[in-house]
Amino acid sequence: GAGVSQSPSNKVTEKGKDVELRCDPISGHTALYWYRQRLGQGLEFLIYFQGNSAPDKSGLPSDRFSAERTGESVSTLTIQRTQQEDSAVYLCASSLGRIGSGEQYFGPGTRLTVT
Amino acid sequence: AQSVTQLDSQVPVFEEAPVELRCNYSSSVSVYLFWYVQYPNQGLQLLLKYLSGSTLVKGINGFEAEFNKSQTSFHLRKPSVHISDTAEYFCAVTYTGGFKTIFGAGTRLFVKA
Repeated sequence: GAGVSQSPSNKVTEKGKDVELRCDPISGHTALYWYRQRLGQGLEFLIYFQGNSAPDKSGLPSDRFSAERTGESVSTLTIQRTQQEDSAVYLCASSLGRIGSGEQYFGPGTRLTVT
Repeated sequence: AQSVTQLDSQVPVFEEAPVELRCNYSSSVSVYLFWYVQYPNQGLQLLLKYLSGSTLVKGINGFEAEFNKSQTSFHLRKPSVHISDTAEYFCAVTYTGGFKTIFGAGTRLFVKA
């Protein structure tokens, strides 16, 4: 596709349930990022994938959060035993290469609501 | 800790007036600087970026930003805004040699007729 896609666009779940969010980056982009955006706040870095290197998970807020990426394609972000404070928009972005000077291309986000 | 501060959470301005959205970051080491814009119900897109060279950077839609190393600032300006500029603007910093980008909290620009 032409851009980064994410699914689902909206997800409502009950507290304690697990959720899985999906990101399809732009073809050929080796770098992939996940961010969280709480209402009225900036983007909070969660995790970074670069090619086949070990991901940087330093932004994951707890061990309930995990992410995987298959090669240089699809990534999934999993939140186990969701809590109300997990409610936010989860954004995925991809970029060319490893150097941080590259523009990030963002997906439309997944709005997660935990009731 | 590295941080990015956008001093104004909301900026209301009349159409055709000039605007400046302020951004400061926490360290004076070498950085790459970005402004992203998020129009209503759309994803973030790059407005402009500073990597090196001239400290005045021009972006899309008539916006420009100036890198000031001594003040660790990267303020965004436009001499005359339009209604269509109404959006959320995010300043972001990546420290050279790294990849992790730190975003500010955003500034909501509201252009009034």
